[in-house]
Amino acid sequence: DIVMTQSPLSLPVTPGEPASISCRSSQSLLHSDGHNYLDWYVQRPGQSPQLLIYLGSYRASGVPDRFSGSGSGTDFTLKISRVEAEDIAVYFCMQALQTPDAFGQGTKLDIK
Amino acid sequence: QVQLQQWGAGKLKPSETLSLTCAVSGGSFSGHYWSWIRQPPGKGLEWIGETNHSGNSRYNSSLKSRVTISVDTSKNQLSLKLTSVTAADTAVYYCARGRGYYYDSSGLLQYYYNGMDVWGRGTTVTVSS
Repeated sequence: DIVMTQSPLSLPVTPGEPASISCRSSQSLLHSDGHNYLDWYVQRPGQSPQLLIYLGSYRASGVPDRFSGSGSGTDFTLKISRVEAEDIAVYFCMQALQTPDAFGQGTKLDIK
Repeated sequence: QVQLQQWGAGKLKPSETLSLTCAVSGGSFSGHYWSWIRQPPGKGLEWIGETNHSGNSRYNSSLKSRVTISVDTSKNQLSLKLTSVTAADTAVYYCARGRGYYYDSSGLLQYYYNGMDVWGRGTTVTVSS
């Protein structure tokens, strides 16, 4: 099974400043169709996870452009250009290339 | 827009069977795979398995011997059954919409992936004696 590893697991941030989360997979997530099967999800307190980024870099509908995804193969990054108060949440990466789909441990963003 | 409504028993005793249902409304039930995912208290997310409207299912091997995901196409519903539960199965259980598929002009099956873009609100299941 593919194992997903996120870092850091906790990230204190200052509103208005950028933030970056790393996700590494134990195997390449690059499919023969040219896409990386890597998603990013955000889970705000008491809520269901919500899709932010799919196929490595495509923003889901309604996601603000301050969120961006990059990377290929085994190394991926979620960047928030300017953190806002509503971004305080837990962020998960997930691979969808092979069964079973697998999530990273989660990165908790909180106020510095 | 597509919405997922979940329900099922919230309290179980060890060795009982967990049974949850997820109803799809506001969109097509066919043409997508539908997943179950769970989250133990204070922990991360675990993919349980998925199915489509034809009942083609895939499971996480860690749970495969105990889990069944089925569909009722007449009601646009999918169901999760997990047998012989223990305290380790205590979690919030979510259903979510996954990859899509269609048949192209040549009749070939084509897949596409837009992430797990619709999630249910989750059902809390507690296993305790």
